[in-house]
Amino acid sequence: DAGVIQSPRHEVTEMGQEVTLRCKPISGHDYLFWYRQTMMRGLELLIYFNNNVPIDDSGMPEDRFSAKMPNASFSTLKIQPSEPRDSAVYFCASSPQGSNTGELFFGEGSRLTVL
Amino acid sequence: SQQGEEDPQALSIQEGENATMNCSYKTSINNLQWYRQNSGRGLVHLILIRSNEREKHSGRLRVTLDTSKKSSSLLITASRAADTASYFCASTGAGSYQLTFGKGTKLSVIP
Repeated sequence: DAGVIQSPRHEVTEMGQEVTLRCKPISGHDYLFWYRQTMMRGLELLIYFNNNVPIDDSGMPEDRFSAKMPNASFSTLKIQPSEPRDSAVYFCASSPQGSNTGELFFGEGSRLTVL
Repeated sequence: SQQGEEDPQALSIQEGENATMNCSYKTSINNLQWYRQNSGRGLVHLILIRSNEREKHSGRLRVTLDTSKKSSSLLITASRAADTASYFCASTGAGSYQLTFGKGTKLSVIP
């Protein structure tokens, strides 16, 4: 299997622009997680899906952030409008059983820089 | 918050030495996991230990769990330069699917 695939790997944008990050989970995995990593706050869970349904989005920082999973093989994280404090590495991870019982498989991340 | 705290924040050792990293957490857990992250890459799962287990081994890795102290340790024996990475502990609380990560220990193994 190709693993979790994220795109773009790097994104540089200007404040106020819309940013869309994409994720393709491992086939057959029922759970999908979006994390954000910064030096100050470490890894933060933003939202997770089970069978394409958002289960917990309490980690989404603001209404500027939204996430969708239209089908089992694709998810997006959108930031509109973006702000410099959104600069971070965003990771997508998938799991066949949910992190309560097993490991997460992470993508390589999307490094976002908002100028 | 369930978030774990790793100790030390940074560790530098010579190749061949053992590396020990510690993790503390705040509330009851279902399981505790350790991950490795190489610079600029995603996290890779290393090992999972359940709350009813006390020790687990995987190759050169040894993980212990002390639920009474709410702490875990990761031991890497006979370290190699390729072990240079950041190591994170992560845990889930009872009935939760949210895996909460600590801030990690940055390990440098000097050849």
